[in-house]
Amino acid sequence: AQKVTQAQTEISVVEKEDVTLDCVYETRDTTYYLFWYKQPPSGELVFLIRRNSFDEQNEISGRYSWNFQKSTSSFNFTITASQVVDSAVYFCALSEDRGSTLGRLYFGRGTQLTVWP
Amino acid sequence: NAGVTQTPKFRILKIGQSMTLQCTQDMNHNYMYWYRQDPGMGLKLIYYSVGAGITDKGEVPNGYNVSRSTTEDFPLRLELAAPSQTSVYFCASSYTKDRGVNTEAFFGQGTRLTVV
Repeated sequence: AQKVTQAQTEISVVEKEDVTLDCVYETRDTTYYLFWYKQPPSGELVFLIRRNSFDEQNEISGRYSWNFQKSTSSFNFTITASQVVDSAVYFCALSEDRGSTLGRLYFGRGTQLTVWP
Repeated sequence: NAGVTQTPKFRILKIGQSMTLQCTQDMNHNYMYWYRQDPGMGLKLIYYSVGAGITDKGEVPNGYNVSRSTTEDFPLRLELAAPSQTSVYFCASSYTKDRGVNTEAFFGQGTRLTVV
């Protein structure tokens, strides 16, 4: 079973629209970390955010915001007023905090976001 | 700050050839990883290392070998290249301890490998 599920394979929006990328995770650990990475067309992986399981506060960074809900095992990412430069593949990832999988990063399959001018 | 450096950036191999993908990091991170990225499939873990002298298999280790003789270096070896190993390879590192200290993974720029 997938530990991280990103059900949206591709999303297309027009500039200035808001868009939410979904991420659902699965773990039995009580302590874990969640991440979002951006992969622009140039191919590198850009770290966006890290969240630990004890901090359910939503976070806002400019046009980006993240909604972490343990009750639904979700860590969704919203881009407000999207721009063409936001076009990229976005990955959600999970890292567990102990046991045989300590430190291993599990990635979702990614969501390709295309923002049209 | 160099971060994580991978070489080469591109390579074309013939079936059956061998090569080593180099990866080095200068952040004194204990964990290092090798991932491969196939189109539309996200990143899959090949091997990882929790420290010098210790390596372990990930999800897709077949056809690859690794070693970790120093904290800084984590080379990935392909012994007999096959077309199925055509992919983009990423090396990454993080600082990870049990219970509560776990940085994000820092990634190299990637190596695009084609096996023909």
